[in-house]
Amino acid sequence: DQQVKQNSPSLSVQEGRISILNCDYTNSMFDYFLWYKKYPAEGPTFLISISSIKDKNEDGRFTVFLNKSAKHLSLHIVPSQPGDSAVYFCAASALNDYKLSFGAGTTVTVRA
Amino acid sequence: DTAVSQTPKYLVTQMGNDKSIKCEQNLGHDTMYWYKQDSKKFLKIMFSYNNKELIINETVPNRFSPKSPDKAHLNLHINSLELGDSAVYFCASSQDPGPGTSTDTQYFGPGTRLTVL
Repeated sequence: DQQVKQNSPSLSVQEGRISILNCDYTNSMFDYFLWYKKYPAEGPTFLISISSIKDKNEDGRFTVFLNKSAKHLSLHIVPSQPGDSAVYFCAASALNDYKLSFGAGTTVTVRA
Repeated sequence: DTAVSQTPKYLVTQMGNDKSIKCEQNLGHDTMYWYKQDSKKFLKIMFSYNNKELIINETVPNRFSPKSPDKAHLNLHINSLELGDSAVYFCASSQDPGPGTSTDTQYFGPGTRLTVL
């Protein structure tokens, strides 16, 4: 029972353009959301997070948007760079819950 | 310095064997986790320890036993390995979020790829 869903398994984008990654969740108790980036043969690396009290959080080229009513969040990367080519995981946690629930990941390929 | 480290990185073994994976974090975190990434690439929580106390145990076969000798270490011991145990196992750590909050950002180790033949 996947409570966090990333319905696009892959995304290809040209260098310099915007990458938009989407994530949907079903558990209304989730109140903290994170994006992780993962290169092959490495562990996931924390990228950016957002609390449910906000609808946007920005960190350099990365912006996460949260739409609580739609139970949807997105990650915008602009401009996309070749080093952004990786698998991106959306994750969420609920109040008083230590664990993270992960989506299946979206593989981003940035073309030169 | 590596924040969360795991050994070994690769582990190939026969069915029925017993093996251990070690994890250490030097971040001063109170909470540590084991996740399993299966063939479909889903990352799923297995266990979590907070200050050496087990706080999460997700329907994992009792062949898997975590051991936390201290706050900085969380080892995973697997008895009687089966083919289906083949996966990548990730250790992670975070600050103790405390009551009334969600889990803090978790930092992951590089993973251990376990192959059971």
